Amino acid sequence: AQTVTQSQPEMSVQEAETVTLSCTYDTSESDYYLFWYKQPPSRQMILVIRQEAYKQQNATENRFSVNFQKAAKSFSLKISDSQLGDAAMYFCAYRTCLKAAGNKLTFGGGTRVLVKP
Amino acid sequence: DAGVIQSPRHEVTEMGQEVTLRCKPISGHDYLFWYRQTMMRGLELLIYFNNNVPIDDSGMPEDRFSAKMPNASFSTLKIQPSEPRDSAVYFCASSPSGSCEQYFGPGTRLTVT
Repeated sequence: AQTVTQSQPEMSVQEAETVTLSCTYDTSESDYYLFWYKQPPSRQMILVIRQEAYKQQNATENRFSVNFQKAAKSFSLKISDSQLGDAAMYFCAYRTCLKAAGNKLTFGGGTRVLVKP
Repeated sequence: DAGVIQSPRHEVTEMGQEVTLRCKPISGHDYLFWYRQTMMRGLELLIYFNNNVPIDDSGMPEDRFSAKMPNASFSTLKIQPSEPRDSAVYFCASSPSGSCEQYFGPGTRLTVT
């Protein structure tokens, strides 16, 4: 079974600065998807960015980018130019490509990001 | 599109009562997922459906929990009888076939006193 680990329960960043959230995962599969979800106080789960394991290029979405290290099974999220609205819980998630397993996601424990004005 | 719709948004009930949570997935999505979020255990997948058929219910904690999907546009998660440890936020999500993404509803915050 796949596991996803986020070792940082909480991270603090100054507004306009950069923060990096770590995520590691364990899998025996070679093809899969990785995601970062944001959960603000409203509780809504918002997809921030995704990465297909077969792609070597790191995904980027505006101020959000990832550092995907497949051999190390590491998938960190970098938030650049942090804004107050970035304050939220961030969840790393894994999805297998095995058809039998469907589209289900395995989530990490989450990292709370605090943004200081 | 209205997105995934869940009702109620908040539910407070007494121990022993039956609780029914409802979900309307995004039209055309073949997959529907029920998750539970607690401080202790984080986000856990309870069950998911493909084309209205339950595929994996290994995450359902015990027999008090049951889920149904009578048609493509509606699913329920029922807890009977409810217990205080069931207090959590319950999310429903849907996904189209062949897509990487799951679209989450706003969640139902359940409090069992």
